[in-house]
Amino acid sequence: AQSVAQPEDQVNVAEGNPLTVKCTYSVSGNPYLFWYVQYPNRGLQFLLKYITGDNLVKGSYGFEAEFNKSQTSFHLKKPSALVSDSALYFCAVRDDTGGFKTIFGAGTRLFVKA
Amino acid sequence: EAEVAQSPRYKITEKSQAVAFWCDPISGHATLYWYRQILGQGPELLVQFQDESVVDDSQLPKDRFSAERLKGVDSTLKIQPAELGDSAMYLCASSLARGMNTEAFFGQGTRLTVV
Repeated sequence: AQSVAQPEDQVNVAEGNPLTVKCTYSVSGNPYLFWYVQYPNRGLQFLLKYITGDNLVKGSYGFEAEFNKSQTSFHLKKPSALVSDSALYFCAVRDDTGGFKTIFGAGTRLFVKA
Repeated sequence: EAEVAQSPRYKITEKSQAVAFWCDPISGHATLYWYRQILGQGPELLVQFQDESVVDDSQLPKDRFSAERLKGVDSTLKIQPAELGDSAMYLCASSLARGMNTEAFFGQGTRLTVV
């Protein structure tokens, strides 16, 4: 069975500093990995995805994520945080042996301080 | 930019009453999802449609929840009777196809409060 873990409930970072939001996963087959962001009282917005190819994936709003197969991780990163990046971030995974079901992590709240 | 439309945005209902949510996916999107998001948790899939057919409803509490997508376009999720534990955000999402590499586009959600 597939699963995804976001080990940090909250990440605090100062504006201008780099940020990392962690995600680890477990799947039976090949992973398909996604990051979404959720602002208050809104639905989720797609940020980026890893399907195959380069381990470093670039997405919206300057975010990127690094796929690490040996560590089964897909951490979200940004070189310089903005106050407007403060939101709830969700990692999600599918695998090619479990149908098309997407499993979401519990989410990590990012707080960027000015 | 095309969006997934959901209504209502907020709903307060008494327990044991019936409640319904509506979703209109992005035009041309064959796959439609209903998720439930409890405060402090990630979204949990309730039901997934491919066109008008249900492809996954394993987590849908079928004794009280029902979902339909009659013409393969918009969809309705119903709860009858509502229970206090159903209080949550109900999110609708759609994607272009059912492939592994397709991301979902989410609506703004319906926040349900059962009193």
